Amino acid sequence: DGGITQSPKYLFRKEGQNVTLSCEQNLNHDAMYWYRQDPGQGLRLIYYSQIVNDFQKGDIAEGYSVSREKKESFPLTVTSAQKNPTAFYLCATQDGIGPQHFGDGTRLSIL
Amino acid sequence: DQQVKQNSPSLSVQEGRISILNCDYTNSMFDYFLWYKKYPAEGPTFLISISSIKDKNEDGRFTVFLNKSAKHLSLHIVPSQPGDSAVYFCAASAKRYGGSQGNLIFGKGTKLSVKP
Repeated sequence: DGGITQSPKYLFRKEGQNVTLSCEQNLNHDAMYWYRQDPGQGLRLIYYSQIVNDFQKGDIAEGYSVSREKKESFPLTVTSAQKNPTAFYLCATQDGIGPQHFGDGTRLSIL
Repeated sequence: DQQVKQNSPSLSVQEGRISILNCDYTNSMFDYFLWYKKYPAEGPTFLISISSIKDKNEDGRFTVFLNKSAKHLSLHIVPSQPGDSAVYFCAASAKRYGGSQGNLIFGKGTKLSVKP
């Protein structure tokens, strides 16, 4: 979606390494979300944030961390504690009670 | 246990005909339902939504029907076009009204192929 930028598009992680995925938005939306998609599966919620300086765990938060220091940014760190990090990661934003809108994703692979 | 189920992994339809994608849910607290379309290596694109106070919502070629008693919704695409070929995800949330926005629960998706 226009206005939501995820970077990088492809990312490789070495064993024991933390990596950070970027999500930036210029839509002025309050809520931001991180999802993970595995092949043949639906999207599963990792973390979400309804307002700046506040965030909540989703269904599969173990091995991940986030921060929300600015309204525009919601970076996701995949830590070495996440044993199966290979997946397609999607960031979404939401304005009020409208639908969530998604960025184009980051594909994370293990070296 | 899956709260949102799309039991057909794939669907093939001829161009110009109707495509019907189905979705079942188990949580009676869900009150807002959405359909997303996704191409490979891209993020999902919002298509259409419906709240539980309605049983039908229409937007151009796309119509969503909701049957609350059966906990079933469907997306109709008429007429189907080759450009509609993608994976379609059904999603649901609860606590939309009178409380904080609930988080989306997604089905596993149905891959639609529209043949010329």
